[in-house]
This record gives sequence, structure tokens and C-alpha cells, in this order.
Amino acid sequence: AQSVAQPEDQVNVAEGNPLTVKCTYSVSGNPYLFWYVQYPNRGLQFLLKYITGDNLVKGSYGFEAEFNKSQTSFHLKKPSALVSDSALYFCAVRAPHTGRRALTFGSGTRLQVQP
Amino acid sequence: GAGVSQTPSNKVTEKGKYVELRCDPISGHTALYWYRQSLGQGPEFLIYFQGTGAADDSGLPNDRFFAVRPEGSVSTLKIQRTERGDSAMYLCASSSSTSGGAGTGELFFGEGSRLTVL
Repeated sequence: AQSVAQPEDQVNVAEGNPLTVKCTYSVSGNPYLFWYVQYPNRGLQFLLKYITGDNLVKGSYGFEAEFNKSQTSFHLKKPSALVSDSALYFCAVRAPHTGRRALTFGSGTRLQVQP
Repeated sequence: GAGVSQTPSNKVTEKGKYVELRCDPISGHTALYWYRQSLGQGPEFLIYFQGTGAADDSGLPNDRFFAVRPEGSVSTLKIQRTERGDSAMYLCASSSSTSGGAGTGELFFGEGSRLTVL
């Protein structure tokens, strides 16, 4: 079975400071990893994905994430947070070798950026 | 429109009633997914269609839940004999077959249908 853990329900950061939202996964074989963001009253929006290759992937709105196989982590990062980054962030995993196409999502982390 | 469209956006029903939720995916997207999101939780997979067929329905919680996609485009999620525990946001997503069909493309989500069972 595949699973995702987001250990922090909420992350608070001051505008202009770097931010990190943590994600660890459990899956047999090589994973496909994703980050999505959910703004209030909006659908989930894709931020970035890791499929293969370079462990550091860059995505929308200046976000990036680093795949660490030994630590089974895929933390989301941004060098300088904006108030507009405040939203709910979800990490997701897929195990392609199983043939399953569905993503398994974590429980989400609320990011609050203070001005 | 260009995005995934879900109707109704809100549905309030009484326990025991039948409910249908509709999803209109992005034109040309062959893959369609239904997820359920309860308050404070991440989306939980229900069912996945590739074209007209349900390729994976392992997430459907019981036989009261059923989904169809008869022409490979619009999908309807059907819930019979609704229970209060069915109250949640029901999300639909679609994706194209990219990378030779390996499915590495991202999912595009609709804004969801919020179901409340009284």
C-alpha cells in the first residue's frame, strides 16, 4: 500500500522568510511524487511533480521540492514566502509499477504567511 | 469552459435519498477520477475511468456508490440511500494520457460538489 504523511497540520512563516512544508511517503518501488495547493473555495491546483531525474524540481509560483530517496521525503520549499502563498498544501504519491493510476494524498498542511 | 466543471456546487439532501453528482472534464482528457474530501482531510480516491470503462473502482466505500461515464466524457457519481457519513466534498479530476500513456501528467481538479446529508 502507498501512503503519504504530512506531519505538520499548520506552518506559520513571516513574509520574506523561507518556507518548508514537509512530506514523507511510503511506497514500494520508485515513486511519482506531486504537490498540490488548495486556495479557499477553489479546486486543487498542481504545483510540481517528481517523476525521474534531477532530485530538485521547480514548479509554479517559485516553489520547488527536493526528492530524497534515502529519507523517503519530498519537502516543498520556497526561498521567500508571500502572504498570497497562504493556502492548504497537499503532497501526493503514485506507485507506477503497480499499474494504479490514482494518487494517494496526505492530510494536508495549512501554510499561514504573516505580513 | 476550459477547466473541469462540476455540478451542482452544493447539494443538500435527506438521509435515505438518491443523489447524482456530475463532472464535465477538460475536452480531450481520457482519464477521469473521483475523489472525496472530508473536512480537515486530504482527498480520498474513489474511482478512476480510462475512456468509458472504470479501470479502478477500488476506492468506492460500498455498493451504494456507483459511477458511470457512458461516452467517455461526462461522468456521473451516483449515491443511493445516502447516509450522514456521506457528507463531504466530492472532487472530480481529469488528465490526458501523456508520456506514452504512462500517466505522468498532472490531474486537473474541478471545484467540487459539496454534499450535505441531513
